Amino acid sequence: AQSVTQLGSHVSVSEGALVLLRCNYSSSVPPYLFWYVQYPNQGLQLLLKYTSAATLVKGINGFEAEFKKSETSFHLTKPSAHMSDAAEYFCAVSDSGGFKTIFGAGTRLFVKA
Amino acid sequence: EPEVTQTPSHQVTQMGQEVILRCVPISNHLYFYWYRQILGQKVEFLVSFYNNEISEKSEIFDDQFSVERPDGSNFTLKIRSTKLEDSAMYFCASSEEGGSGSETQYFGPGTRLLVL
Repeated sequence: AQSVTQLGSHVSVSEGALVLLRCNYSSSVPPYLFWYVQYPNQGLQLLLKYTSAATLVKGINGFEAEFKKSETSFHLTKPSAHMSDAAEYFCAVSDSGGFKTIFGAGTRLFVKA
Repeated sequence: EPEVTQTPSHQVTQMGQEVILRCVPISNHLYFYWYRQILGQKVEFLVSFYNNEISEKSEIFDDQFSVERPDGSNFTLKIRSTKLEDSAMYFCASSEEGGSGSETQYFGPGTRLLVL
């Protein structure tokens, strides 16, 4: 069965600092991997997705993630945090032939001025 | 930019009552989904729907739940007899394509259901 594990339910960074949100996946088949962001009182918005085209995936708002098969990881990074990045971030996985997306528990990002 | 909308944003109901959560997917999308998130827990898949049929459902989606596309624009989730443990945020999503696993699902803002 597929699953994702997000390390750290809360991450706090200073404005301008590197953002690193960790995600490890478990899948018996090549996975499709996603990062979603949820701002307060809003729905889930897709940041980026990995569909095997390239291991380094660039998304919106300056975020990117690297698929590392050897480490079964898909960590999300941003070089310089902005106050507006404060939100909850979800890593998710799906597989071919299926309709459902499996979500991680989420990581809440705090950005300090 | 097209978006998925959901109504109501909040609903409070008594245990045992029926509730209907409504969603308007993006207009050219053909695949529809419901997810839920119990407070403090993961977002969980409930059901996917295509061509007026359920294409996949989770163990959570038991006989108390049903989905329907009553017209060309709405997609609904009905809970026949609500239980306390149904209290959660319910998200609707839609996608243009489905079944490949790589399609992007677009999510609505959610309906927060509270069962008393």
